[in-house]
Amino acid sequence: GQQLNQSPQSMFIQEGEDVSMNCTSSSIFNTWLWYKQDPGEGPVLLIALYKAGELTSNGRLTAQFGITRKDSFLNISASIPSDVGIYFCAGPGSGSNYKLTFGKGTLLTVNP
Amino acid sequence: GAGVSQSPSNKVTEKGKDVELRCDPISGHTALYWYRQSLGQGLEFLIYFQGNSAPDKSGLPSDRFSAERTGGSVSTLTIQRTQQEDSAVYLCASSLGLVGEQFFGPGTRLTVL
Repeated sequence: GQQLNQSPQSMFIQEGEDVSMNCTSSSIFNTWLWYKQDPGEGPVLLIALYKAGELTSNGRLTAQFGITRKDSFLNISASIPSDVGIYFCAGPGSGSNYKLTFGKGTLLTVNP
Repeated sequence: GAGVSQSPSNKVTEKGKDVELRCDPISGHTALYWYRQSLGQGLEFLIYFQGNSAPDKSGLPSDRFSAERTGGSVSTLTIQRTQQEDSAVYLCASSLGLVGEQFFGPGTRLTVL
């Protein structure tokens, strides 16, 4: 089946720093989604990308849908302690609009 | 309005026992999904319900796993004869129709001893 390779697995940064994480796929995705999961909670959608080359921002978050449709990145600028959590990329698998495939996540720790 | 709720939040069981996990989707959402999240892993799709259509069970890992959705609302995920490898967080999500944003519940953490 389709797989999403997400990196890095974890990041430990100082408050105020910018951070970048990315996802690559062995096959084309038509939609890229970025979720954040806080401890003890379910993932919450941060940004959705629907078009190759699309660059979308949500506050301090910026995500891009790669031109090849096989990759995406998420940037967080001026990190704050509440950015701590696990960030997942996801997308609907081939032949399905609803069956999401998830990356293994990037654990972000922000040191105040 | 209320989000997706799941119960219990935590379940500890002995190997070989059956367990039932419950999901209450957001009112009016016709689509409901179950995912499994093992430690350090991303979410793994299990099953999908949409309205009165036959569910997509393609992600269920074995025939010990089954799910029902009664009245187009509440769903129950049942795991029979639990094994230690079933230990994980089971997450439920719902959405407005086929391609709407999936809203996740807080999950049920299952531990099989």
